[in-house]
Amino acid sequence: SQQGEEDPQALSIQEGENATMNCSYKTSINNLQWYRQNSGRGLVHLILIRSNEREKHSGRLRVTLDTSKKSSSLLITASRAADTASYFCATDARDDKIIFGKGTRLHILP
Amino acid sequence: NAGVMQNPRHLVRRRGQEARLRCSPMKGHSHVYWYRQLPEEGLKFMVYLQKENIIDESGMPKERFSAEFPKEGPSILRIQQVVRGDSAAYFCASSAMDEKLFFGSGTQLSVL
Repeated sequence: SQQGEEDPQALSIQEGENATMNCSYKTSINNLQWYRQNSGRGLVHLILIRSNEREKHSGRLRVTLDTSKKSSSLLITASRAADTASYFCATDARDDKIIFGKGTRLHILP
Repeated sequence: NAGVMQNPRHLVRRRGQEARLRCSPMKGHSHVYWYRQLPEEGLKFMVYLQKENIIDESGMPKERFSAEFPKEGPSILRIQQVVRGDSAAYFCASSAMDEKLFFGSGTQLSVL
């Protein structure tokens, strides 16, 4: 069964704008991760946030986690053409396996 | 420091044949995950293994599919008697301690 669900499924924005993607999940987690996938390639880890953390930054990425609402958001600031990719959240539920959502397809327009 | 290596990159099989997908984890990683992905979709969990142990195979069909991660050598995902519906990209990922995953480039399986 799918644990995380990203929203929106697809997002197109102008270069330079900020992109926000959301992820909702169902069960209690140890941590939540965000990954990026370029077309036809393997996923690349972006950032991990633990269940006792509320916000984390890495370069142009900002991740928030609200465990009371079972949701997370990924913000990419000052988007670039190279940010065009699919973005997935992944949750590490208490049973150890890591489950991915269906992803948000982000397209940065020149 | 080689990353996660998957081979073959592309695999073509006829219906009824066997498919063997290999995954060599990063050095020092003892956890391996296998995922399946259809075009424009997310990754579907299949199986989670540690050395010589299957930890969770709840995402893997009970028939025709098997996985192993022996003490020596790569992890193998084996699909017997393939059908057209098995066509997909299969990704392997490894980790050191159940957290950050490092992914291979995937094997694209095409069943004719």
